[in-house]
Amino acid sequence: DGGITQSPKYLFRKEGQNVTLSCEQNLNHDAMYWYRQDPGQGLRLIYYSQIVNDFQKGDIAEGYSVSREKKESFPLTVTSAQKNPTAFYLCASSGQEKADTQYFGPGTRLTVL
Amino acid sequence: AQTVTQSQPEMSVQEAETVTLSCTYDTSESNYYLFWYKQPPSRQMILVIRQEAYKQQNATENRFSVNFQKAAKSFSLKISDSQLGDTAMYFCAFMRLNSGYALNFGKGTSLLVTP
Repeated sequence: DGGITQSPKYLFRKEGQNVTLSCEQNLNHDAMYWYRQDPGQGLRLIYYSQIVNDFQKGDIAEGYSVSREKKESFPLTVTSAQKNPTAFYLCASSGQEKADTQYFGPGTRLTVL
Repeated sequence: AQTVTQSQPEMSVQEAETVTLSCTYDTSESNYYLFWYKQPPSRQMILVIRQEAYKQQNATENRFSVNFQKAAKSFSLKISDSQLGDTAMYFCAFMRLNSGYALNFGKGTSLLVTP
């Protein structure tokens, strides 16, 4: 089946640890995005990538890092520098045409203990 | 900055009735794209409907339709014949053409459909 997968579904982290959230898509999409969702808030953009080996900071990139070594994969690392990482993280991708609709993965719930 | 405002944090509607969710946005661009996404309790974000600003005709998808008022910068979502499965958070979003086509989201409206 074509789609976007995120793993793990739930992730627990101790303070001071880095963790990496996985996002994979088999839709042959060029663009990929990471958003963060907090209770009572809309989604906020962390990072985006329009092409392999290139990515750009979004509105709340501090404390996060990404890589885009393969078209299918766009992992997000939450570093110890992120002050309040507990949140729901959503990955999205969109196709080759400009302004293509974004489709979302199922999300990862990260909790800092 | 393009901001998106959803002024109704919560709404309720009875099954089979019609409900309208409000959304306003702020932009200086002349061409842009707007979306409504649905997030049910599973938290999966699902596209409901999309509107291109250069199109005067309002988009429709089955029971879902929009009222796009470009001059007023308003983009409301109408759900007809509401069903229990429509219970979800609904997010209005604006596509940022100059930032990799990323989306700016409103804070959402929680819709409850009751029997």
